Amino acid sequence: EIVMTQSPLSLPVTPGEPASISCRSSQSLLHSNGDNYLDWYLHKPGQSPQLLISLGSNRASGVPDRFSGSGSGTDFTLKISRVEADDVGVYYCMQTLQVPLTFGGGTKVEIK
Amino acid sequence: QVQLQESGPRLVKPSGTLSLTCTVSGGSMRSAYWTWIRQPPGKGLEWVGYILNSGGGSTNYSPSLKSRVTISIDTSRNQVSLTLTAVTAADTAVYYCARGRDGLLYWGQGILVTVSS
Repeated sequence: EIVMTQSPLSLPVTPGEPASISCRSSQSLLHSNGDNYLDWYLHKPGQSPQLLISLGSNRASGVPDRFSGSGSGTDFTLKISRVEADDVGVYYCMQTLQVPLTFGGGTKVEIK
Repeated sequence: QVQLQESGPRLVKPSGTLSLTCTVSGGSMRSAYWTWIRQPPGKGLEWVGYILNSGGGSTNYSPSLKSRVTISIDTSRNQVSLTLTAVTAADTAVYYCARGRDGLLYWGQGILVTVSS
């Protein structure tokens, strides 16, 4: 099983400032087709998780360009260029290369 | 716009069977993966498993649940079902269904199922 490790656990942010979340996998998520099988989700309180980024860096439909995903292999980063109040919630990375699919433990983003 | 709605009993007795249905509207179920994910109270997201609605309906399950879980599909009713047997309090969670195997764009609103006597 691929273990996903996120950091930090908690991230207090100031609106307008950038923020960054790290996700590391115990095995490479780089497929032979060149894609990294890593998704990012935001789980807001009282809502269903929403897809932000797929395949490491592909922004999902309707996701603001403030969100970007980068990385390859075992190290990935989600960046928010300018945090807004609506960005609060728990962010999860998820590897989809290999069954069982596994999530990181989550990073709680809150406004300072 | 694809919409998913989970339904089923919200209270299940220990050692009983949890049965949930995900009803799909606004899109085709054909040749698609359908995934179940759960979130125990105060904890993170946990992948339960998925089914591919193509051919024989192949499935993959979490190893920790594999002996107790079944995901099935009824395209005539536009429904995906989750069955979990021999439940314990550890199975108390919000259960979500989602369309796809990865890049899960469409999710249900989730249903809280409590295992308690």
